[in-house]
Parts: sequence; structure tokens; C-alpha cells
Amino acid sequence: AQRVTQPEKLLSVFKGAPVELKCNYSYSGSPELFWYVQYSRQRLQLLLRHISRESIKGFTADLNKGETSFHLKKPFAQEEDSAMYYCALEHASGGSYIPTFGRGTSLIVHP
Amino acid sequence: SAVISQKPSRDICQRGTSLTIQCQVDSQVTMMFWYRQQPGQSLTLIATANQGSEATYESGFVIDKFPISRPNLTFSTLTVSNMSPEDSSIYLCSVDLAQGEQYFGPGTRLTVT
Repeated sequence: AQRVTQPEKLLSVFKGAPVELKCNYSYSGSPELFWYVQYSRQRLQLLLRHISRESIKGFTADLNKGETSFHLKKPFAQEEDSAMYYCALEHASGGSYIPTFGRGTSLIVHP
Repeated sequence: SAVISQKPSRDICQRGTSLTIQCQVDSQVTMMFWYRQQPGQSLTLIATANQGSEATYESGFVIDKFPISRPNLTFSTLTVSNMSPEDSSIYLCSVDLAQGEQYFGPGTRLTVT
């Protein structure tokens, strides 16, 4: 069975500091991995997905199949980055993609 | 992208009663998903709703407790039956529009007293 682990429930940094939100997964197939973000009083939304290899709002995430990780990184955190971040794995089942989410990491960026 | 709405946005219910949550999408989608988001805990998938067939429930969730309807390609309902305070949570629906990318509704905040 697939599993997504986000070991940190809370991550607290100061503005301008680097940030890394950890995500590890277990899945026997080829994973599709995503990061979702939920800002205060907003709905959950996609931040980035591994196949796009984009940088969104300064965030990047690299899939490391050897370490089964998909950590989210940003070199210089901003106060507006404070939010709840969820790592998710989608696995194919019956022609559809079924999501599994990690428990989430709350990022707080202090001024 | 998609516009997804949920009704009600919040409700306070008494134990033993049932609440039906509606999810409406502005485009036709094959799969709709229902989640529970409890404070400090993970986003947990309850079930996957496919139009015209029975919903597929995840481990720990059963149809008697969380019956789901999917009458067409733009609409689904989730009922939380015989509620207890442990059912207090945020319930979310989502759709998959692009190879696994989930679009979420705003959520329904349920409090059971």
C-alpha cells in the first residue's frame, strides 16, 4: 500500500531563512507526486507537481527515487509563505488516479 | 481549472442526526473524491465517487456511515449518518481534472454536539 510521510507537524523559520519541508513516500510503482498548500481561510490548492519540474512562488521539489523523497524547498522564506503544506502521492487505479496525502506540515514564517 | 462549490459551508448538528453535504462542479468530471480533514491530522480520503456506480470506500469508512450519491457528472453528495462528536471535522470534495491534479471545494465545517 502507498504511504506518504511528512515527519514535521510544524516548521517555524524567520523571514529570509531557507526552508525545507520533508516528504517521504512508499509506493511500489512509479509515483506521481504533488505539493498542495492551504493558506489561512483559503481552499486547498495545488502548489506544484513533480513532472512539471517548475518553480512556483520560489518553491521547488525534486523527486529522489533512491531516497523515496519529494522534499519542498525554498531558499528564502517569506511571511506570505506561512500556510499548511500537504505532500500527496497519486497512484493509478482502474484508469483513474487515487490520492494519498501526508498529514501536513504547518509552516510559520516569522518577520 | 474548475469551480467547485459545497453546501453547506458549515453546520452544527446534534448527535444521532444525519447531514448531507453537496458538491457541485462547473464541468463534467468522471471521478469525485470525498475527504475528511481533522484539526492537526492528515487529509483522509473517505471514498471515490464514480458516476453511475457504487462509490469505492477507503479502509475505515463504510457506506452505512457515509453514503454517497453521484447522480450525474457534475454533482455528488456525502451523508454523514448517525453523527457523533467524533465526526466533527471539515469535509472536502475534490475532482481530478488533469492526470492526478486535485481541485478542491471550499469545505464543509461540521460540528456535532
